Amino acid sequence: QVQLVQSGAEVKKPGASVMVSCKASGYTFSDYYMHWVRQAPGQGLEWMGWINPNNGGTKYAQKFQGRVTMTRDTSINTAYMELGRLRSDDTAVYYCARGMDPYYYEKSDYSGLHHWGQGTLVTVSS
Amino acid sequence: DIVMTQSPESLPVSLGERATINCKSSQSVLYSSNNKNYLAWYQQKPGQPPKLLIYWASTREYGVPDRFSGSGSGTDFTLAISSLQAEDVAVYYCQQYHSTPFTFGPGTKVEIK
Repeated sequence: QVQLVQSGAEVKKPGASVMVSCKASGYTFSDYYMHWVRQAPGQGLEWMGWINPNNGGTKYAQKFQGRVTMTRDTSINTAYMELGRLRSDDTAVYYCARGMDPYYYEKSDYSGLHHWGQGTLVTVSS
Repeated sequence: DIVMTQSPESLPVSLGERATINCKSSQSVLYSSNNKNYLAWYQQKPGQPPKLLIYWASTREYGVPDRFSGSGSGTDFTLAISSLQAEDVAVYYCQQYHSTPFTFGPGTKVEIK
């Protein structure tokens, strides 16, 4: 069965960076886009972007351009999301979520989010 | 960006009764070349990640009970729960994946009346 296991909670100071990992199992990691979504405490869901693990291609929401970097290591089936220049309003649970169809399907980057990691709480506080 | 709105914000429903949630997008999420609506519904329970219920506006995800149904096209969509069960208490979100950035509605909290 598909599983996405994320790294543990982090506490960071304003201005620092954080990297969250997402280890995939139960499917061919390189075949499916991996998206990142965040949720501030008590708030709704915010899409941050995706990475195509097959070729490392990325698409970021304009809001996060210049601050976010999504990477992957196909040898260990793991995707990473690094967010820099952290602010207090970046405090949130960060989720990885797999797309529905393999990358070689037409428009598979435009996809609902089929499987989700358990979430990683990132707290930004001085 | 496509703005998603949902109504109501909170929905108290008696057990066994029907619950209906509305979702509206600021632009059409219908992709004309394949006639698919790029719209999904998620259920989120406290302390858990969202769970995909419906995609392409009306396709139920495998394993989702058939009391959940999605309908609509273009800019107006509905999620219905035909007979509310206690385990359906959750927040429900719609999401468009027609255009980046993908955007979510603000959520509808379904509770027992």
